[in-house]
Amino acid sequence: KNQVEQSPQSLIILEGKNCTLQCNYTVSPFSNLRWYKQDTGRGPVSLTIMTFSENTKSNGRYTATLDADTKQSSLHITASQLSDSASYICVVSSASKIIFGSGTRLSIRP
Amino acid sequence: GAGVSQSPRYKVTKRGQDVALRCDPISGHVSLYWYRQALGQGPEFLTYFNYEAQQDKSGLPNDRFSAERPEGSISTLTIQRTEQRDSAMYRCASSSRTGDRRVAFGSGTRLTVV
Repeated sequence: KNQVEQSPQSLIILEGKNCTLQCNYTVSPFSNLRWYKQDTGRGPVSLTIMTFSENTKSNGRYTATLDADTKQSSLHITASQLSDSASYICVVSSASKIIFGSGTRLSIRP
Repeated sequence: GAGVSQSPRYKVTKRGQDVALRCDPISGHVSLYWYRQALGQGPEFLTYFNYEAQQDKSGLPNDRFSAERPEGSISTLTIQRTEQRDSAMYRCASSSRTGDRRVAFGSGTRLTVV
């Protein structure tokens, strides 16, 4: 069964700290994996997209990794800011569909 | 249009009424997805289409929910005999089948059942 599981469900960290969000998937065949940031009440905004051959990709303070062998991805946020408070959603594409993770709710405290 | 368009943006309805939510995907996008999000929660997959064919409706909560995409473009999600627990943000996404399979999200319809 095609699944995308994210952990933790929620996370609270202090401003300035780093954090890592996890995404494990069982989607096959794999096409690509995306991380989205979704602010409350807003639509998702794409952070990174990774294909099978890519191990790491950065977008500012966001760095995504992908291990296609273990079917795991992580999103690392460096030097967190209050504006990073949002839901982070992992979306995996197969040849025929896309599967959404249920997201990690990240809260940054001052 | 430039993006995925959903209408209405907001819908308040009385319990027991039927509602129809519309999604107009990016032109040429073959795949169309419906999902919903309760406040503060992650997305809950409902159903998706490739062209006009409904590929997977396993996420539809019960038989009050149905979706169609008769011409492989605009899709309608219909909720019959609405209940308060149906209140959520209903989002639509579309994607292409080639290249990087770019995924685009609509701004959603906020449904409130009173």
